[in-house]
Formats: sequence, C-alpha cells, structure tokens
Amino acid sequence: EAQVTQNPRYLITVTGKKLTVTCSQNMNHEYMSWYRQDPGLGLRQIYYSMNVEVTDKGDVPEGYKVSRKEKRNFPLILESPSPNQTSLYFCASGPGFLGAFFGQGTRLTVV
Amino acid sequence: AQKVTQAQTEISVVEKEDVTLDCVYETRDTTYYLFWYKQPPSGELVFLIRRNSFDEQNEISGRYSWNFQKSTSSFNFTITASQVVDSAVYFCALSERVYNQGGKLIFGQGTELSVKP
Repeated sequence: EAQVTQNPRYLITVTGKKLTVTCSQNMNHEYMSWYRQDPGLGLRQIYYSMNVEVTDKGDVPEGYKVSRKEKRNFPLILESPSPNQTSLYFCASGPGFLGAFFGQGTRLTVV
Repeated sequence: AQKVTQAQTEISVVEKEDVTLDCVYETRDTTYYLFWYKQPPSGELVFLIRRNSFDEQNEISGRYSWNFQKSTSSFNFTITASQVVDSAVYFCALSERVYNQGGKLIFGQGTELSVKP
C-alpha cells in the first residue's frame, strides 16, 4: 500500500530536549517536505527536499533541521524545542508540483 | 502573488442536504494544479482530487463533484446528499509549476463542515 508514515503520532516533550520525528515513504517520490498546521495560520511549509542530499528552507524553517540521506526517509529534527513549536506536523511526499500525499500527522506539545 | 481563499470558515448542514464549498485562487503561473484535501476529526489529510489548469471539465466521483472555472479562478466542491461522515475540515490547495518551491502546496484556510443527523 502506497503511504507516508510518520512517527510518533503524539509526543509531549519539555523545552530544550532534542527530538526527531521520522518520516518514510514507499512511493519512490523525489520530493518530500514538512508542514506545520496551526489554528488561524493554516498549513505552512517548513523544509523541503527535491532529492537525496538536496534540502532547502520553506516558509518557516527557524528551529528545525532536516536531512535526506536516503530517498525514502526525511526526518524532522528539533534540536532545542520551544513551546511555540507546539503544533500538528505533516510529512508529505510527491512528484513535485504535481501534488503530495501526506502522513497521518504528528501532534507535538512542548511544555 | 499566489493565494488560495476559502471564504467560508464554517458550514453547518443537516444530513441529506447538498453543500458547496468555495475556493478562489490567485496565481502568476499558466500551468498549475488545484487540489482538495479532507481533514477528518482524526487529523490526517486525505487527498480527494487533483485538477490541472488545462482541464476545465467538471468531475464527479460518487456524491462528490468539482467545478473548475478558470474565468473566475474558482474550484468549488459540492457534496450531494451529505452524510455525517462528511463532517471534516476541507482544504483547497494550489501548486504552481514555474514558481513552485520544492513541490510546495499553497493551502486555503479551510472550511469546517458539520453535518448534523
């Protein structure tokens, strides 16, 4: 089954404790990206990757890191999370501008 | 500038009513794609449809139909005979070809549809 898998689905952490949200896709897509969804602000792109070892900033990259060492995986790293990074996060993969399929979402709370 | 506007923040209907969700977009590009996604209460984003800018044919899939009108830059979504399971937030999104940044989707703010029994 074609899918984008994110883990964990839910995470509560404390300020400053490094965390990683994993994302994996099995559709051999070149493009992958991370979005965050916040009430009143909608969905905003954090980082994207157009291929292995090629990543770039989206609209709201501050406080986040990503890596793309393999085509299927695109982890999101928060090295020192802060409460303003409490959000619903989505990983997406797709064939570029032709669209995207989204993971189930990760609900992160930073206290 | 590229932008997607969903003017209806919330809609409430009674089961079996028809409902139309509006979407208006702005783009600099001549080649682009439009999408609708559904976000049920469980939170995931479910892909519903993709349309390219050269195909203005209306599409029907079961109780769902989409009306794309380039002249008015609109891509509206109609649910016929709504059901309680249709209750969700629906997002319209735009993807441009030339001015695209890493396959980025530009989302509207979403319309929350509540279908009451």
